[in-house]
Amino acid sequence: QSVLTQPPSASGTPGQWVTISCSGASSNVGSNNVNWYQQLPGTAPKLLIYNSNQRPSGVPDRFSGSKSGTSASLAIRGLQSEDEADYYCAAWHGSLNGPIFGGGTKLTVL
Amino acid sequence: EVQLVESGGGLVQPGGSLRLSCAASGFTLSTYWMHWVRQAPGKGLVWVARTNTDDSSPSYADSVKGRFTISRDNAKNTLYLQMNSLRAEDTAVYYCARVMETTVYSGQSFDIWGQGTMVTVSS
Repeated sequence: QSVLTQPPSASGTPGQWVTISCSGASSNVGSNNVNWYQQLPGTAPKLLIYNSNQRPSGVPDRFSGSKSGTSASLAIRGLQSEDEADYYCAAWHGSLNGPIFGGGTKLTVL
Repeated sequence: EVQLVESGGGLVQPGGSLRLSCAASGFTLSTYWMHWVRQAPGKGLVWVARTNTDDSSPSYADSVKGRFTISRDNAKNTLYLQMNSLRAEDTAVYYCARVMETTVYSGQSFDIWGQGTMVTVSS
């Protein structure tokens, strides 16, 4: 089963700005919205960004999403220690009739 | 409080069966599209199955098609995943997830997740 392509790791120091990329194809990212999920260690995933750039209520505005063509990005401004987590992008895949996920990016706050 | 609570995981031998449950509280399950997503130990998230509001057109990942069945009992406000002919590669934490209503036709974002239930397939 194909996945969206994310860097396996990313890092930054407190206060920094970090971006995580998500690369797909015309059949998924290119033609559908992208969602981002945050998974803190030992917990269930949590919705961070939906419709490519919308934040659910309660998600700080330090988190933002964007999409262009077959790629999407998650940006975290003002990195904090509690942002240390795994981040997954996801997009609907028409032929699958379900979503596909990226492989995940482990964010380390140095 | 809106929440999903999974149960039914455990250790099962290859070829065996398990039925996972996902009990919803704080909302009416029948009005939401629902999915199952799994995560093998140390690995990423993988979509398993989904059902629409009237269960008229379920869909499955190729890896589980013909072996897993998603269903719901509206009277019990509970979603199920019947898993048959289990294989070692089905070993994972299984999460149920609710689709955010406004995203049903625009990417299906999962706004509520359960805590997960572990399924181990081993002899």
